[in-house]
Amino acid sequence: ETGVTQSPTHLIKTRGQQVTLRCSSQSGHNTVSWYQQALGQGPQFIFQYYREEENGRGNFPPRFSGLQFPNYSSELNVNALELDDSALYLCASTTAGQGFTGYTFGSGTRLTVV
Amino acid sequence: AQKVTQAQTEISVVEKEDVTLDCVYETRDTTYYLFWYKQPPSGELVFLIRRNSFDEQNEISGRYSWNFQKSTSSFNFTITASQVVDSAVYFCALSDPDSSNTGKLIFGQGTTLQVKP
Repeated sequence: ETGVTQSPTHLIKTRGQQVTLRCSSQSGHNTVSWYQQALGQGPQFIFQYYREEENGRGNFPPRFSGLQFPNYSSELNVNALELDDSALYLCASTTAGQGFTGYTFGSGTRLTVV
Repeated sequence: AQKVTQAQTEISVVEKEDVTLDCVYETRDTTYYLFWYKQPPSGELVFLIRRNSFDEQNEISGRYSWNFQKSTSSFNFTITASQVVDSAVYFCALSDPDSSNTGKLIFGQGTTLQVKP
């Protein structure tokens, strides 16, 4: 059983640029969530995707967007990067609709905006 | 509003000492889940335990134990006979009951545990 994998592991971008982060869900999971973890803080919920649609969103602006694909993999896109977007971005997967199975997290993508 | 508070920012102990990590939560919901996760330097969040709001029975798993008390809205985590490998950041989290089958968790600020040899 493979876990959640994220790519890339590290990324450096310039303010104003756009970035795409990728996540492959754990086998058998159909729901993906994204979290932003600033240095020294707990993860903050960005949004979640189920059946290729966003079905929950945290307090993040529209320049944070996502996609979920038929194979349940997911992308997080951030436009117009700001310095405060520098953080560890974590992806988590689980199974909805079949009873609670817990959340599996990936190792994250560390994004640095300069 | 839902909130999780981990008042201990950093804890340092010597190997073999017992250590308790505190977690206090706030929610108006009667149905919810509580979690503990471990985050080693590699970054991934490692699931330790899930407890639903109707199950106040304490749980022990090896050197780990959890004390859930709804009366004080606390879900504390104790490591017995700590080891250097226990050094990590530990997060307590609360689930939004509308998303108990999905991914929305509310995390505390985390407690950094350092276990010295």
